[in-house]
Amino acid sequence: EAGVTQFPSHSVIEKGQTVTLRCDPISGHDNLYWYRRVMGKEIKFLLHFVKESKQDESGMPNNRFLAERTGGTYSTLKVQPAELEDSGVYFCASSRRDFVGNEQFFGPGTRLTVL
Amino acid sequence: AQTVTQSQPEMSVQEAETVTLSCTYDTSESNYYLFWYKQPPSRQMILVIRQEAYKQQNATENRFSVNFQKAAKSFSLKISDSQLGDTAMYFCAFILRGANSKLTFGKGITLSVRP
Repeated sequence: EAGVTQFPSHSVIEKGQTVTLRCDPISGHDNLYWYRRVMGKEIKFLLHFVKESKQDESGMPNNRFLAERTGGTYSTLKVQPAELEDSGVYFCASSRRDFVGNEQFFGPGTRLTVL
Repeated sequence: AQTVTQSQPEMSVQEAETVTLSCTYDTSESNYYLFWYKQPPSRQMILVIRQEAYKQQNATENRFSVNFQKAAKSFSLKISDSQLGDTAMYFCAFILRGANSKLTFGKGITLSVRP
């Protein structure tokens, strides 16, 4: 079974530019989560999809962040326009819909650097 | 709101020895799970061990065990017979019981195993 994959692994952009991160969850996992870790801080929740619906987007920092999950498969997280404070590692995780101890499987992360 | 605290930013242990990583948390809920996740250098975060709050017995997974003190809201990880491959960042995390819940993480601790 393939794990959670994320693309790109690294992205370096200028302030004001747009970046789109992609996450492919484990096949069959209805739950998809985005998290972010800013240097030296905790990994923070951003939002949660159940299939294509946003279940909880309480962690999204502001309206410069837009997440989508068309068709309930892969998800994208777009940052537009990017600011310096958006730098960090963005993690995607997925889990099954049924209750299995709430284990979430993580991708390798996308390291975003905004200059 | 739930919080997770890992007060030690880094630790070092000699190969084959035992090390304990500390974690405390705060919640008013009674039904939850606690996790330790491991992120080796440049690799994906993986689940090390899980503890269900309603179980009094401490979880164990081979060389990994926890000391779960529910009243004290403490959840430490003990690694026995440390191996070089245990070198990683370790995150303590909390999640409310239920299929659609987000993880709350501590800041993580960097563990180095010395040969």
